[in-house]
Amino acid sequence: DTAVSQTPKYLVTQMGNDKSIKCEQNLGHDTMYWYKQDSKKFLKIMFSYNNKELIINETVPNRFSPKSPDKAHLNLHINSLELGDSAVYFCASSQGSGGVGETQYFGPGTRLLVL
Amino acid sequence: RKEVEQDPGPFNVPEGATVAFNCTYSNSASQSFFWYRQDCRKEPKLLMSVYSSGNEDGRFTAQLNRASQYISLLIRDSKLSDSATYLCVVNTDYGGSQGNLIFGKGTKLSVKP
Repeated sequence: DTAVSQTPKYLVTQMGNDKSIKCEQNLGHDTMYWYKQDSKKFLKIMFSYNNKELIINETVPNRFSPKSPDKAHLNLHINSLELGDSAVYFCASSQGSGGVGETQYFGPGTRLLVL
Repeated sequence: RKEVEQDPGPFNVPEGATVAFNCTYSNSASQSFFWYRQDCRKEPKLLMSVYSSGNEDGRFTAQLNRASQYISLLIRDSKLSDSATYLCVVNTDYGGSQGNLIFGKGTKLSVKP
């Protein structure tokens, strides 16, 4: 049983396309996150949602739009993909409201390559 | 100054060696501290939380010095399976009760037979 799952695992697409990445957690957690890990391996938060409500929105282009249909799912839609969007995108979840001290559990990552 | 800084390594050590990683953070209001481990092409996984009093989990010992804004991880009796990238992670208050994990770029460890 995968606690935090993401689909697809790999995504290769052309510049200008629109794509979505899906994330699901079966841990019963209240908070979910999207992180981006770039080619330099730097992992940085993009968004977090608590019970379907946005609580963190870092400086991310508005081409990126998260959507949380329910607290077990947090999807990431990316419009007009650019070369610089190539990275590994990790979904994560934590039990509470995303407060300090909470352990976050990460999904396996989605490797996005924009050509 | 980066929020969380680590020596990227790589640290190449023989099996059985003791190795120490250091990390500094810039935000004095940071409240929680962690070490995560990330294997090649895998997701980060929590290795251990770091407490002010220092804490130990088997061969791993973590220390926190709030005055110096410095965190360390000591691995004793290194195993081949310890080879990975070790991420220093700091949780800062994003506002209200929300936290925001800030990751260092990681220190790569390679344990050789």
